Amino acid sequence: EAQVTQNPRYLITVTGKKLTVTCSQNMNHEYMSWYRQDPGLGLRQIYYSMNVEVTDKGDVPEGYKVSRKEKRNFPLILESPSPNQTSLYFCASSFFGTSVTDTQYFGPGTRLTVL
Amino acid sequence: GDSVTQMEGPVTLSEEAFLTINCTYTATGYPSLFWYVQYPGEGLQLLLKATKADDKGSNKGFEATYRKETTSFHLEKGSVQVSDSAVYFCALSDLALIQGAQKLVFGQGTRLTINP
Repeated sequence: EAQVTQNPRYLITVTGKKLTVTCSQNMNHEYMSWYRQDPGLGLRQIYYSMNVEVTDKGDVPEGYKVSRKEKRNFPLILESPSPNQTSLYFCASSFFGTSVTDTQYFGPGTRLTVL
Repeated sequence: GDSVTQMEGPVTLSEEAFLTINCTYTATGYPSLFWYVQYPGEGLQLLLKATKADDKGSNKGFEATYRKETTSFHLEKGSVQVSDSAVYFCALSDLALIQGAQKLVFGQGTRLTINP
């Protein structure tokens, strides 16, 4: 089944404790992206990647890191999480990410709480 | 910059009622427009899309028409069901200046509840 998977689905952590949220897709997509969803704000892009080893900042990159060492994986790293990073996170992918008509496919989401 | 504005929620309707969720956008280029749906506890799923002016996207009884003159992409359904209860997001797709990468800009979402 074609899908985007994320792990963990739920995570409660404390301020300053490094964490990684994994994202994997099995559709051979070139483009991958991370979003955060907050009430009243919709989804905002954190980082995206056009291909292996090619990443760039989205609208809200502060406090996050990403890497793209393999085409299928795009982990999101919070090196020193803070309470304002409590949010619902989504990973998404699309074939090339170079056309406005591309459809992005979303993972199930990771609900993160930072105490 | 690009932006999307959706009608405020939550919206509560009775089964078989007519649904409209308003969406307007601001964009400098020639975006594509999308409606995504998020069912409870799940990720976003594409509901429908339209890629140029006057296109109509449709799926599962939902429709939306890309109106360039009014910069709108309102979502409609003639007769809603309890199973349509979800959060609906309007989004536009444009190309970022850097690398020409696709960029999705989302509205704030509208929570829809359908009562039997």
